[in-house]
Amino acid sequence: KAGVTQTPRYLIKTRGQQVTLSCSPISGHRSVSWYQQTPGQGLQFLFEYFSETQRNKGNFPGRFSGRQFSNSRSEMNVSTLELGDSALYLCASSPGLKYTDTQYFGPGTRLTVL
Amino acid sequence: AQSVTQPDIHITVSEGASLELRCNYSYGATPYLFWYVQSPGQGLQLLLKYFSGDTLVQGIKGFEAEFKRSQSSFNLRKPSVHWSDAAEYFCAVAVILTGGGNKLTFGTGTQLKVEL
Repeated sequence: KAGVTQTPRYLIKTRGQQVTLSCSPISGHRSVSWYQQTPGQGLQFLFEYFSETQRNKGNFPGRFSGRQFSNSRSEMNVSTLELGDSALYLCASSPGLKYTDTQYFGPGTRLTVL
Repeated sequence: AQSVTQPDIHITVSEGASLELRCNYSYGATPYLFWYVQSPGQGLQLLLKYFSGDTLVQGIKGFEAEFKRSQSSFNLRKPSVHWSDAAEYFCAVAVILTGGGNKLTFGTGTQLKVEL
């Protein structure tokens, strides 16, 4: 099976702009989670989607949002970008909503905000 | 609250030497534990996981980890390190979410350098 894919791999934006990142999960996986990785804060959970519904959300401002489509593909959006939003954004997919479901990560999207 | 501690930020070992990366967790329920590896500019690759059963688990690339409940630890080991093992290693615990599924709480990572 193909792994998790994320597009684009690299993005450069300026403060105040908005950005949309895309994630395609492993075939058959229905849950998609997003994480932010920065040198200062490490890896932090953003949100989780299942069946086109956001099931859980981490401690991030409302500028961070996302959605999931009927084919389980997911997008996340960051509006009014700030310098501190520069990070590696990782998408992970898992089969479903069981506690024991393992998350498999994509290569990430490197966002740089100037 | 759940947390994961990786006490060693950087570790340097010689190629061919043995390796042990430390991980301590804090979680009230039965922990579901993972080790992931990240090469520069890449995503996270799953090395191994533990939920129940045998406390010594085998993973990919010759890695193994031992779960010790009494010590709240899940240390990663490899008998003989290869230069290609140089990367950053993350220990994580899965936290049950109210909406179903889980989220991963990660340690701060251990950067492994391999000397030739």
